[in-house]
Amino acid sequence: DIQMTQSPSSLSASVGDRVTITCRASQAISNYLAWYQQKPGKVPELLIYAAFTLRSGVPSRFSGSGSGTDFTLTISSLQPEDVATYYCQKYGSAPLPFGGGTKVEIK
Amino acid sequence: EVHLVESGGDLVQPGGSLRLSCAASGFTFSDFPMDWVRQAPGKGLEWVSVISGSGERTSYADSVKGRFTISRDNSRNTLYLQMDSLRVEDTAIYYCAKDIQRATFDAFDVWGQGTMVTVSS
Repeated sequence: DIQMTQSPSSLSASVGDRVTITCRASQAISNYLAWYQQKPGKVPELLIYAAFTLRSGVPSRFSGSGSGTDFTLTISSLQPEDVATYYCQKYGSAPLPFGGGTKVEIK
Repeated sequence: EVHLVESGGDLVQPGGSLRLSCAASGFTFSDFPMDWVRQAPGKGLEWVSVISGSGERTSYADSVKGRFTISRDNSRNTLYLQMDSLRVEDTAIYYCAKDIQRATFDAFDVWGQGTMVTVSS
């Protein structure tokens, strides 16, 4: 089965900083990659699917890139409301594993 | 508005059974695959199981295969997860989630609020 590995597991950045989170699949998954945001105490929410398609209503400071095995979630200018844990997920065929998560905090 | 509401979470002893339900509204339930995802206290998300819109195709994470059974009743717009031979490590919030596309096992665009399952003696 395909494994999803995220890095870093946590990061601390200042408001306005550019933040990059990486997700690596153990085998090529084309662009079948989603990113979710889970704010503290809340339900996860879909941010990006098909590796780079921004879900309607998601701020444009979020972007996704990559294909094959290596993917990136970028926050162009970190805002206080972006404090959350971010997860990548492989989909398209089962199983549908998540990455281990990246906790983003404000410095 | 699309809505998912889970129920059935409880405290159960190791080796016991529990059935979770997820009531769906606001969309054509039978058109979409549905999933269960769990999150142990303080831990990350773990995908558990998926079922196709018709109910004909199912798949499970290795950690629950042979113990959990996913099903759906499209006439009642309800998704189920039968959990047998429960273990302490099954303790988690269980979320149901809707796939974004009809045809394939896809990303999840709608999540329920979750129901807590605690396995403890």
